[in-house]
Amino acid sequence: EVQVDQSGGGLVQPGGSLRLSCAVSGFTFTNNWMAWIRLAPGKGLEFVANIQPSGGVKNYVGSVKGRFTISRDNAKSSLFLQLDNLRAEDTAVYYCARDFGGGYFEHWGQGMLVTVSS
Amino acid sequence: EIVLTQTPATLSLSPGERVTLSCRASQSVNNHLAWYQQKPGQPPRLLMYDASNRATGIPARFSGSGSGTDFTLTISSLEPEDFAVYYCQQRSSWRTFGQGTKVEVK
Repeated sequence: EVQVDQSGGGLVQPGGSLRLSCAVSGFTFTNNWMAWIRLAPGKGLEFVANIQPSGGVKNYVGSVKGRFTISRDNAKSSLFLQLDNLRAEDTAVYYCARDFGGGYFEHWGQGMLVTVSS
Repeated sequence: EIVLTQTPATLSLSPGERVTLSCRASQSVNNHLAWYQQKPGQPPRLLMYDASNRATGIPARFSGSGSGTDFTLTISSLEPEDFAVYYCQQRSSWRTFGQGTKVEVK
């Protein structure tokens, strides 16, 4: 059975930082691209970033480039998202998921709420 | 950026009815389109990929069609557990999602 367990998130002031984590079991993590997707209040889903199995290639949506960093630890089957210099518009539920088939998403985590507010 | 437009924004239906959801792309995405279902408090669930392929474990009442710019998700007979928000997503150029269609109880 596939399990994707997220942790991290919470309330942070503008300009602050958070780290999101995602622990995976039930599929071969080391062979798979992984991604972060977010759902902001009153808005639709937005792809945030993804990372190659080896960690060598990373892609980001323009609005988070230079502020967010995706990484992975294949030995621990874990995915991370470091969120720095946070803005109010980054407030959202953040999901991790397996990125397959060249850009579809399955095996989603339960989601973690990030609230950026003073 | 490829924009996906979903219509209608909300559908009010009864169990047993046939449902047709539409997703239109601002430019061709070939067949590189997926559909997801999201219920309150849950993550999205992949239903269809490459326009017409059902994901693992998805019931046969769900079907997808289309190519180029116009796509449809059909639920042949609505079950109580199908009331949710449905999103389309393209992977042809970057990855973008539609704004969603909410299927609610009439």
